[in-house]
Amino acid sequence: DGGITQSPKYLFRKEGQNVTLSCEQNLNHDAMYWYRQDPGQGLRLIYYSQIVNDFQKGDIAEGYSVSREKKESFPLTVTSAQKNPTAFYLCASSIAGTTNEKLFFGSGTQLSVL
Amino acid sequence: RKEVEQDPGPFNVPEGATVAFNCTYSNSASQSFFWYRQDCRKEPKLLMSVYSSGNEDGRFTAQLNRASQYISLLIRDSKLSDSATYLCVCRVTGYSTLTFGKGTMLLVSP
Repeated sequence: DGGITQSPKYLFRKEGQNVTLSCEQNLNHDAMYWYRQDPGQGLRLIYYSQIVNDFQKGDIAEGYSVSREKKESFPLTVTSAQKNPTAFYLCASSIAGTTNEKLFFGSGTQLSVL
Repeated sequence: RKEVEQDPGPFNVPEGATVAFNCTYSNSASQSFFWYRQDCRKEPKLLMSVYSSGNEDGRFTAQLNRASQYISLLIRDSKLSDSATYLCVCRVTGYSTLTFGKGTMLLVSP
């Protein structure tokens, strides 16, 4: 079955530590996205990529980094510079270039600070 | 500025009731609109796109009012399984990304 897979489901970060969230898709989608969701809040865009080896900052990119070396993979690193990393992180993908494109989401990673 | 506003609720309704949510958007260049459903601690899933002429999918009806810059979602004959948060989503012309509202929580009780 085609889909988008995030891992791990739960992740704990120690102060000063960088952690990487995995996102893999086998939908052959060009575009991939990372969102952050805080309790009672909407999804806020961290980074997105519309093509391999290219990515763009979203609304809240500070303290995060990404790479897009393969079409299938779009890992997100939460760096020590992100002072409030506790949140639910959602990865999504879509077929880029259409106005009514549907976003397919992974099941999310809950990141907490120890 | 890209902004999408929703009443956070919760909307508490009995089974079988009809309930409607509204969502307003501030950017008149918004061109595409969607409703997503999100269950607690789960990923959002597309419920339906919203078309200019309005559209219906079973018990769900979506409407768009460009003049007043709002979209609506009507749910008829509410089921317990409709309990979730409903996210209003817009795409602005020229932007390749979507803007999400904070969501409206619906609780359907027996």
